[in-house]
Amino acid sequence: DQQVKQNSPSLSVQEGRISILNCDYTNSMFDYFLWYKKYPAEGPTFLISISSIKDKNEDGRFTVFLNKSAKHLSLHIVPSQPGDSAVYFCAAITSGAGSYQLTFGKGTKLSVIP
Amino acid sequence: DAGVTQSPTHLIKTRGQHVTLRCSPISGHKSVSWYQQVLGQGPQFIFQYYEKEERGRGNFPDRFSARQFPNYSSELNVNALLLGDSALYLCASSLGGGAVYGYTFGSGTRLTVV
Repeated sequence: DQQVKQNSPSLSVQEGRISILNCDYTNSMFDYFLWYKKYPAEGPTFLISISSIKDKNEDGRFTVFLNKSAKHLSLHIVPSQPGDSAVYFCAAITSGAGSYQLTFGKGTKLSVIP
Repeated sequence: DAGVTQSPTHLIKTRGQHVTLRCSPISGHKSVSWYQQVLGQGPQFIFQYYEKEERGRGNFPDRFSARQFPNYSSELNVNALLLGDSALYLCASSLGGGAVYGYTFGSGTRLTVV
């Protein structure tokens, strides 16, 4: 039972355009949502997070939007750069009894074409 | 500053053997978590340790165990290896819960069971 779903395995975008990566979740108890970027042979790198009480968080070229009623979040990258080509993971945190577990989606491979 | 370091980077084991993976967190980080990433999937939570105590355990069999040492480094042990244990094992550290600033991941240990 996948609690965090990334339904697009891959996405291709032209350099300079907007990349939109989508994520859906089923567990309404998630407290925070995070996006990670992963290059081959490296561990995931934290990009940006958003609290479940917010609907938008922005950091430079990266913006995350959260729609709680739809249980949907998205990551916008503007403008997209070739160096953004990587696998992007959506993750969610549940906190309880002092434990913080990340639940990941399967990832979306973003290719930014020069 | 050193990031999260994991050792070894790669290893090959035979079914039924035991393996120990090691992780050193970022200096000052007191929480260490372990994740398993099978090819084509997102990382899956195995354990979290904070201040040397187990704070969370994912849905993994008892063949998986871990511990955290006084210097906050950690070991993941897997007994009676199965072919299905072949995966990238990721260690992540954080100051505390990791919700706002995210977890910092190491590059992982690639385990192949033959």
